Amino acid sequence: GENVEQHPSTLSVQEGDSAVIKCTYSDSASNYFPWYKQELGKGPQLIIDIRSNVGEKKDQRIAVTLNKTAKHFSLHITETQPEDSAVYFCASYTGGFKTIFGAGTRLFVKA
Amino acid sequence: GAVVSQHPSWVICKSGTSVKIECRSLDFQATTMFWYRQFPKQSLMLMATSNEGSKATYEQGVEKDKFLINHASLTLSTLTVTSAHPEDSSFYICSADRLALSSYEQYFGPGTRLTVT
Repeated sequence: GENVEQHPSTLSVQEGDSAVIKCTYSDSASNYFPWYKQELGKGPQLIIDIRSNVGEKKDQRIAVTLNKTAKHFSLHITETQPEDSAVYFCASYTGGFKTIFGAGTRLFVKA
Repeated sequence: GAVVSQHPSWVICKSGTSVKIECRSLDFQATTMFWYRQFPKQSLMLMATSNEGSKATYEQGVEKDKFLINHASLTLSTLTVTSAHPEDSSFYICSADRLALSSYEQYFGPGTRLTVT
C-alpha cells in the first residue's frame, strides 16, 4: 500500500546549524505534502506545505523542496534555535481524504 | 485561522467507564474530521474518518463498538471510548480538513491524554 518513509529518525544539531529531514513517498498521485511540528504533549502543528506543481517553497527559516520524479521531498531548517527542538512529521495527501504520515524525526537543537 | 480545539486536554477514568472527547473546528467548517491515536515516541495512527451526518469509517483493527464516533455538525465531532481499559490509555488527537485549492489542509487539535486506571 501507500507509504511515506522519513529519515533520519533522530537528528541532533548545534544551535545555528541547518537541519534537513528527508521523505520519500510511494503514490505517484500524491499532490500535497505538508510538514508538521509536534512538541511534547501537544498536537501536530502545520508549519509548511508544498503542492505538486511547485518545486520549492520557503517561509523564513523553513523551506521545503519537492522532486516529483524521484518522489522525494525535504524539510530544511536554517539557523536552528533551541525552540526548534520537537518531532517533525512529513505527510503526503493521496486524495480521498487520505493522508499518509512518516514515522517522525526527533530533532534536538543543542545550545 | 484554522484552529481546532479538543476537550478535555487530559482525563483519568476508572476501568469499565466511558469517556467522551470533543473536537471542534473553531473558525472554519470541516468537511471531514479524523481521529488518531498516538503511542509514546510513535507516529500518528489513524483510527477513523468521519463526515458530518454519516457513519464514521474505521481503519482495520479499530473496534467501532468500542470507539464511538459522532459527527453532529460541520464543526463538531466526538469520540467516546466505551468500557475503557488500561490498554486504551493513550494520546488521542483529532484533526479537521479544510478545503484549499485542489487538496485538503489538515489541522490538528491539541490532543487528549487518556489514562485508564
